[in-house]
Order: sequence, then C-alpha cells, then structure tokens
Amino acid sequence: EDQVTQSPEALRLQEGESSSLNCSYTVSGLRGLFWYRQDPGKGPEFLFTLYSAGEEKEKERLKATLTKKESFLHITAPKPEDSATYLCAVQAGGATNKLIFGTGTLLAVQP
Amino acid sequence: EPEVTQTPSHQVTQMGQEVILRCVPISNHLYFYWYRQILGQKVEFLVSFYNNEISEKSEIFDDQFSVERPDGSNFTLKIRSTKLEDSAMYFCASRPGYMNTEAFFGQGTRLTVV
Repeated sequence: EDQVTQSPEALRLQEGESSSLNCSYTVSGLRGLFWYRQDPGKGPEFLFTLYSAGEEKEKERLKATLTKKESFLHITAPKPEDSATYLCAVQAGGATNKLIFGTGTLLAVQP
Repeated sequence: EPEVTQTPSHQVTQMGQEVILRCVPISNHLYFYWYRQILGQKVEFLVSFYNNEISEKSEIFDDQFSVERPDGSNFTLKIRSTKLEDSAMYFCASRPGYMNTEAFFGQGTRLTVV
C-alpha cells in the first residue's frame, strides 16, 4: 500500500535555528514528490516538486531533497513567518493522478 | 497570479440535507480534484475529474457524493444527504494536465454538519 510518513509531528525552533523535516514514502513507482505549506484554516500552498533521486530544489530559506526512500525539507535560519504545517505528498506511477499526503509537520518558529 | 477559488468559505447544514460546494479552477487547467481534511487528520483524496468525467475516485466517494462541471468554469461537489462524519474542510484543486505537475489548491470550504 502506498504510504507517506512525516516526522517529527511537531517542531519548535528559535529564529535562526536551522533544521530538517523528514518525509519517508513507500510507493509503487514514484511519479513525483510534492511539498506544500499549510497555514491554519487554509488550503495547501505549493512549494516544490521533486521527480527523481538526487534532485534538489530551493526557495528562499527552504531546500528540498529526494532519495529513493525519503525526502528532506531543510529550513535554514528560519523566521517566525515560516511557522506553518508542512505537508509532503506523493503521486504514484501508473494510471493514478491522485496525491497521497502525510500527516504533516507543524513548525513553530519563535522570535 | 491565477488561483483556485472556492465558495462558500464556511457552510453549516443539518444532517440529512444536501449541500453543494463550489469551485472555480484555474483557467486552462484540465484536471480537477476534490480532497477533504477532517480536523487534525491528513488531507485525503476524494475524486479526480478529467475530460468531463470522473477519472478516479476513493472509497470515501460513495453514492452520496457527485461532481459536476456544469458550465466550463465551475466545478461542484454535491453531498446528497449529509452525515455528521462529513464535517471537514473540503479542498478543490486543479492541475494543468501535463505529466508530473503540481496541483494548486483552493482555500477550502469548512463544512459543519449539525
């Protein structure tokens, strides 16, 4: 069964304290791995797509990497406005085009 | 910047009533989706829609649910007879239609069944 597991469930950082969020996945033929940011009561906001092992994408203080079993979202020198839930999702191979989401990591960055 | 818009933002309905959630996907996108998120749980796939028909649906999407694209711009989710367990955030999403591209989500409709 296709599955996405994110860790930790929650992370509290001081402003400027870098860290990483983990997304491990089991999927039949990965077509793409997606990172989204979700603010309370809002819809997921797209951040990155990764397609193959070894790929990396960067956007401001965020950098996403992908291996054959997991993805990391590295947050460098975070600011309070980076506080949100970060969601990982995968799209399996074959005829499906749905996204399978993990439960997310709730990040709180304190000033 | 183009965005997916959903209305209403919050809907309260009595158990057993029918509700219609509305979405305007991004123009020229070809794939449309409904997902839901029960409070504190993960985002779950409900249904995908392409070329005016359902292309995939989950076990959640039973006979009580239906989708429609009535006029080429709107995309609706109808729940025929709501249950308490249908209370959730419902998200509409759209995708351009090419392989390996991201889905863009709306801000959601919070459905509360009382």
